[in-house]
Amino acid sequence: QQQVKQSPQSLIVQKGGISIINCAYENTAFDYFPWYQQFPGKGPALLIAIRPDVSEKKEGRFTISFNKSAKQFSLHIMDSQPGDSATYFCAASGGKSSGDKLTFGTGTRLAVRP
Amino acid sequence: EAQVTQNPRYLITVTGKKLTVTCSQNMNHEYMSWYRQDPGLGLRQIYYSMNVEVTDKGDVPEGYKVSRKEKRNFPLILESPSPNQTSLYFCASSFLGSSYEQYFGPGTRLTVT
Repeated sequence: QQQVKQSPQSLIVQKGGISIINCAYENTAFDYFPWYQQFPGKGPALLIAIRPDVSEKKEGRFTISFNKSAKQFSLHIMDSQPGDSATYFCAASGGKSSGDKLTFGTGTRLAVRP
Repeated sequence: EAQVTQNPRYLITVTGKKLTVTCSQNMNHEYMSWYRQDPGLGLRQIYYSMNVEVTDKGDVPEGYKVSRKEKRNFPLILESPSPNQTSLYFCASSFLGSSYEQYFGPGTRLTVT
């Protein structure tokens, strides 16, 4: 079953705009919520991660917003650049009790137009 | 350089011909995992290992085998590949308890005809 739901499937943003990708989860036992970035022909790479006791985390132009009561979290890319064009995956970590499992969303393909 | 390596990067094979995809990491990670990536389905876990000689099934283990005889290596074995195993495969590793921060290999594109 899909434990982490991600939307939209694809996104086109103009250079300088804000890209927003949303995810929702069901399992309240998840202990970490990372976002991964994947460029064509490469493996995914960790971009930014947040714990559920924090409502927001910012690293440069990338921000995670976390709403524990709604069981939702989102990635905001400010001042989007063509170099941000990639596929983004949200994920949720279950910790040692779940075999250290990382459950991924289905991915969002972002294209930033110049 | 800290990295996860996979070989081969590309493979075309025929139904039923046994194959092995190798995975090696040089970061002394306890945790290793195999995923397959398919359009619209994201990354799905096939098998994982929390340490040497300790392996367990992920979400889609049917048709696959793994072994973990050494800490650095985690090969994926397809005993009798079928066309529905055509996919992009990734190996990943992390420290135990830090699975949110996994390091991925470059991927292996497998086509089974």
